[in-house]
Amino acid sequence: DAKTTQPNSMESNEEEPVHLPCNHSTISGTDYIHWYRQLPSQGPEYVIHGLTSNVNNRMASLAIAEDRKSSTLILHRATLRDAAVYYCILRAFLGGNQFYFGTGTSLTVIP
Amino acid sequence: DAGVIQSPRHEVTEMGQEVTLRCKPISGHDYLFWYRQTMMRGLELLIYFNNNVPIDDSGMPEDRFSAKMPNASFSTLKIQPSEPRDSAVYFCASSSSLGGADSNQPQHFGDGTRLSIL
Repeated sequence: DAKTTQPNSMESNEEEPVHLPCNHSTISGTDYIHWYRQLPSQGPEYVIHGLTSNVNNRMASLAIAEDRKSSTLILHRATLRDAAVYYCILRAFLGGNQFYFGTGTSLTVIP
Repeated sequence: DAGVIQSPRHEVTEMGQEVTLRCKPISGHDYLFWYRQTMMRGLELLIYFNNNVPIDDSGMPEDRFSAKMPNASFSTLKIQPSEPRDSAVYFCASSSSLGGADSNQPQHFGDGTRLSIL
């Protein structure tokens, strides 16, 4: 699986938007971009995924660069409950449904 | 709907003892994954099953680790004999291949088993 690079940590003020970046310069044309998050003392939780087009769901938005070498997870209005480690993962189209997690970004939300 | 259920939530045992971790996947899911999480190595995929058959066990650290899935609703991860370096949080996850094996269905994780080997 291709590698992803994320900042180790980020901070955001409560009720402000948060942009979490991810670089994946070796992505192949059929790799999907997945985001999961892990709240303290819990298992990872699915957030969103996409291939080429930007994606929106009730939790977040995913903006994918035109060349697909980077993506950004957007939390439109951070709350204290969004404090978690966010993982950006590439999944090969024919990868057999497994995921390889990197080190992720630890998001701190400041009240 | 019930999520992925893992037991026990916490396990403390002495080195050399056999440890068995249990997982009940979400009903209808045909993929099951075992992960291990430590501060040093993060989240590591150990093994995964499809339709109860092990597909990739390349992440299993050594022969002391074994995993089974006797039926669609139950899986075990066994460590025998256990060592202090096996101390970690072990997660089980399941997903569905609804729409095809490459459908990008999300993985659903349990709350994990925190294992401490003294």
